Amino acid sequence: GAGVSQSPSNKVTEKGKDVELRCDPISGHTALYWYRQSLGQGLEFLIYFQGNSAPDKSGLPSDRFSAERTGGSVSTLTIQRTQQEDSAVYLCASSLVENTEAFFGQGTRLTVV
Amino acid sequence: QKEVEQNSGPLSVPEGAIASLNCTYSDRVSQSFFWYRQYSGKSPELIMSIYSNGDKEDGRFTAQLNKASQYVSLLIRDSQPSDSATYLCAVNGPGRRALTFGSGTRLQVQP
Repeated sequence: GAGVSQSPSNKVTEKGKDVELRCDPISGHTALYWYRQSLGQGLEFLIYFQGNSAPDKSGLPSDRFSAERTGGSVSTLTIQRTQQEDSAVYLCASSLVENTEAFFGQGTRLTVV
Repeated sequence: QKEVEQNSGPLSVPEGAIASLNCTYSDRVSQSFFWYRQYSGKSPELIMSIYSNGDKEDGRFTAQLNKASQYVSLLIRDSQPSDSATYLCAVNGPGRRALTFGSGTRLQVQP
């Protein structure tokens, strides 16, 4: 596609449920990043993929968070047993290679009730 | 000390003026520097990248980098109300796999 695509755009879930967020990067981009942004806050790094491997998972806030990337393309971020503090906008970005310009998708707004 | 620091603002400038946005970073070996614009409720949009010392101009935008002072800035000439947004500075470099963002400066351009 022309840009980074994320789905769903909005997700409301009950506390304790699992959610999956999807990111489809720009075609040919090898690097993929997940960030989250809480209301009125800055961007918090979660995880980075180079191809299908994740050399940097340092930002994942707990073991309830996991992510995978398949075929060097689509990535899924999974949050298990969601908590209210997980409510945020989850942003995915991709770049041709690491350390170059990164382009963001429109984000997934997650609300845990 | 935060890795990337920005004044949160708001920075208020009249329409047609030059807006100057500043950013400092702590990692001396940083190599790549980016400015993103984020409208309220939207995702960040890349507007400028700069990799070497000096100025880089693109339309009404000029990015300035001074690695010795660990300082990067963004100038917006002929500011328009449509420029009102939060501007995020992002930094990357060796050993760091993902961009580190500042908390952003909110710019308000008054008509």
